[in-house]
Amino acid sequence: QLQLQESGPGLVKPSETLSLTCTVSGGSISSSYYWGWIRQPPGKGLEWIGSIYYSGSTYYNPSLKSRVTISVDTSENQFSLRLSSVTAADTAAYYCVRHSYYYDRSGSYYTRPFDHWGQGTLVTVSS
Amino acid sequence: EIVLTQSPGTLSLSPGESATLSCRASQSISSSYLAWYQQKPGQAPRLLIYGASSRATGIPDRFGGSGSGTDFTLTISRLEPEDFAVYYCQQYGSSPLFTFGPGTKVDIK
Repeated sequence: QLQLQESGPGLVKPSETLSLTCTVSGGSISSSYYWGWIRQPPGKGLEWIGSIYYSGSTYYNPSLKSRVTISVDTSENQFSLRLSSVTAADTAAYYCVRHSYYYDRSGSYYTRPFDHWGQGTLVTVSS
Repeated sequence: EIVLTQSPGTLSLSPGESATLSCRASQSISSSYLAWYQQKPGQAPRLLIYGASSRATGIPDRFGGSGSGTDFTLTISRLEPEDFAVYYCQQYGSSPLFTFGPGTKVDIK
């Protein structure tokens, strides 16, 4: 059974870089899926941050793209999130997720929804 | 970017009643690439419906999705105590972005 588990500091100072890792168990990260991050400020809605394929191919939410880096370590079956120059607005529960994709007959790329989620980890930005 | 709005913000119902939740998109969502998630307090969201009307693995048949274009509906028949939660719609598919609606809270009347 596939499981995703987030890990990392629960407290980050303003202007510093938030770093989280997601460990995938029960399946290989080097499979035909994308692996992503989603966040949720306390009491608010969900925001997709970005996704990565095991090859290292990434795509990000344009609203966060200038501050986000997602990387993958296939040897450890992990992928990671770095969010730079954080402020209090980045305080949120951060979830790692999996989603699949497909190409239609014309070669157009389509994503599928998030079918597996980690339990989430709360990161607070405060001095 | 496709913007999703959900209504109502809160739905107060009793166990055994039916719930109808709405999700409206700012532009047509191709091939009904619309999903619904359920989130209970302190838990991660769980995929309920994809492709507007297909239930995800293990989802009871009291959950049903419908709609196309810009208007989508999640129906929960015969609410069970464990169904009181927040429900989010989400668009995916050909857009490079994933966006979520603001959510509808179904609480106990």
